[in-house]
Amino acid sequence: GAVVSQHPSWVICKSGTSVKIECRSLDFQATTMFWYRQFPKQSLMLMATSNEGSKATYEQGVEKDKFLINHASLTLSTLTVTSAHPEDSSFYICSATSGLAGGGGPGELFFGEGSRLTVL
Amino acid sequence: SQQGEEDPQALSIQEGENATMNCSYKTSINNLQWYRQNSGRGLVHLILIRSNEREKHSGRLRVTLDTSKKSSSLLITASRAADTASYFCATGINYQLIWGAGTKLIIKP
Repeated sequence: GAVVSQHPSWVICKSGTSVKIECRSLDFQATTMFWYRQFPKQSLMLMATSNEGSKATYEQGVEKDKFLINHASLTLSTLTVTSAHPEDSSFYICSATSGLAGGGGPGELFFGEGSRLTVL
Repeated sequence: SQQGEEDPQALSIQEGENATMNCSYKTSINNLQWYRQNSGRGLVHLILIRSNEREKHSGRLRVTLDTSKKSSSLLITASRAADTASYFCATGINYQLIWGAGTKLIIKP
């Protein structure tokens, strides 16, 4: 299947600093990328949907100024956690899709390996 | 909003046995997808079943979909220790996927 590379795999930072996480689709053009947050032993929480060249669509309750998403090309999206605080510590996962599935509906998602953020 | 809900929340079986996980949802869908997540890793797509399909197979996986009951099941036959993971269903409509809470599957050797 298609490969999505997410970097870094884990990061530890001090409170108040900003952290950037990259998500790259290596062998296909991702028209849409999704950013999720996952708490321990819980399901995925969609944070935002980004389409190449346009502003990201944030889910309700997600601060767009806190979590900056840029989707500058069809193969790269970045999530920047600005002025990170300990409560931002979490597992962040990106996924990408090349479009709709045959017959309609969202197509298969290809996931990165996730980035574990720890804010001290 | 619609939500996929898996049951059981956790399942522990012996290697070689079959594992069945169920997913229920609330509204009409275009497709339903199952994913697997190993601990601390990203998710891997297992299978997509369209709303007009009733059953689909992939290797040791068998997925059924009953749109009248708004439910799906994932069967893993002849389970292996390597199947230990969390399994999530996601219901798809238009561009959106709604995720269930997942079933944690433990295969005991």
